[in-house]
Amino acid sequence: NAGVMQNPRHLVRRRGQEARLRCSPMKGHSHVYWYRQLPEEGLKFMVYLQKENIIDESGMPKERFSAEFPKEGPSILRIQQVVRGDSAAYFCASSGTRYNEQFFGPGTRLTVL
Amino acid sequence: DQQVKQNSPSLSVQEGRISILNCDYTNSMFDYFLWYKKYPAEGPTFLISISSIKDKNEDGRFTVFLNKSAKHLSLHIVPSQPGDSAVYFCAAMNTGTASKLTFGTGTRLQVTL
Repeated sequence: NAGVMQNPRHLVRRRGQEARLRCSPMKGHSHVYWYRQLPEEGLKFMVYLQKENIIDESGMPKERFSAEFPKEGPSILRIQQVVRGDSAAYFCASSGTRYNEQFFGPGTRLTVL
Repeated sequence: DQQVKQNSPSLSVQEGRISILNCDYTNSMFDYFLWYKKYPAEGPTFLISISSIKDKNEDGRFTVFLNKSAKHLSLHIVPSQPGDSAVYFCAAMNTGTASKLTFGTGTRLQVTL
C-alpha cells in the first residue's frame, strides 16, 4: 500500500494524558501536513513539516501541541495534557515536490474522556 | 474568519441528474483550488483542481468552474450516481507563499435513486 498511513485509527485518552499520533507519508514524499477536523466543521491546517524541519506551524495551538518529522521514521503529532476540546479527527497529508497535490491519510479519531 | 465558504450544508439530487456544489472565497491571494470528496471514517480523496489562470477544468463526469471576479467556484457532477453520495470539501491555497490548504465546511451530497 503506497498511500499515507496513520496510526492509531482510534485513540481514547483521559483528560491530562498524552496523545501521540503517527503519520507515514506516501513513498517518495518529503512534505507532511497535519489538519484537524472538529465535529461538523471543515479541516483546519495545523502544521507543515519537511524532514527535520517545521516549515509553517501557524495553525498549531501555542501550548500542549508539538509536531516532528525526523530523518527516519514517521511524523508525530503530540498533544500533552489532553482536554475534552481536543477530541477531533486528525488528518495527515503528504506531497512530493508538487505541494499543491496533497494526499490524505485515513485519519486518527481522538476521543478525550 | 472563514476564508472559504460552502453555504449549502446539504444537497439532494436524483440519480442521473446534475449535481452543482458551490464555494465562495474571500482571500484574493488564493490561486489554486481543489475539491475533495470524503466518506465517513475516511480521509479526504482528491477529485479535481483548477489554477486561477483557468476558468474551467474537466475530468470525466466532474467539471470545476472558476469565476475569479466573483471569487466563486463550483463543481458539476454529470450524471450523478449513488456512489457520489459523500461530503464534498472545497479547498484553496496560495501557491506563492504557503502550502497549507484552507478548507470550506463541506456540503453533504445525497444522490437518490
